[in-house]
Amino acid sequence: DQQVKQNSPSLSVQEGRISILNCDYTNSMFDYFLWYKKYPAEGPTFLISISSIKDKNEDGRFTVFLNKSAKHLSLHIVPSQPGDSAVYFCAAHFSGTYKYIFGTGTRLKVLA
Amino acid sequence: GAVVSQHPSRVICKSGTSVKIECRSLDFQATTMFWYRQFPKQSLMLMATSNEGSKATYEQGVEKDKFLINHASLTLSTLTVTSAHPEDSSFYICSAAHQETQYFGPGTRLLVL
Repeated sequence: DQQVKQNSPSLSVQEGRISILNCDYTNSMFDYFLWYKKYPAEGPTFLISISSIKDKNEDGRFTVFLNKSAKHLSLHIVPSQPGDSAVYFCAAHFSGTYKYIFGTGTRLKVLA
Repeated sequence: GAVVSQHPSRVICKSGTSVKIECRSLDFQATTMFWYRQFPKQSLMLMATSNEGSKATYEQGVEKDKFLINHASLTLSTLTVTSAHPEDSSFYICSAAHQETQYFGPGTRLLVL
């Protein structure tokens, strides 16, 4: 049972436009969510996180939105840059544990 | 801050040999580290949770006698793939926990011939 899902395996966006990556989860007990970016043959790089007590967190070009009632979170990248092309994973975990449940990833391609 | 290193980055070995992969947290102490495996075009699969000074906790389906984990200090965890076979060829990634976040190493590409 996939508790964290990223239903779009890939996404293409024009440079300068907004990229929106989506993630759905099934367990309402998750209380912390994160987004990671991964290039081929490298480890994931932490991007941004959000606690379940918030509905938005912003860091530069990256904003994460959390909709608890819909069990949905999204990552917005504005403006998108070619260097943002990578695979993006969302992850969720429970308070008091570092054990993450990862989504399957979305490959973002930003076109110049 | 929060840098994690892995060594080696790439290793090729013969079938039947053992390979050790090191994971180090460079600028913080980590009582908990994790080992993942990633197959091509798939998500990260958690193999085990490594706790400093105690036995690792393995995920279901992961052979603890094949994937030996040692977390002897607050900055170092090692994964030893024993008697490696071609099906063990994969990309292995470690992470270290720090302030509610896992920070990942760059990964180790293992190829077993």
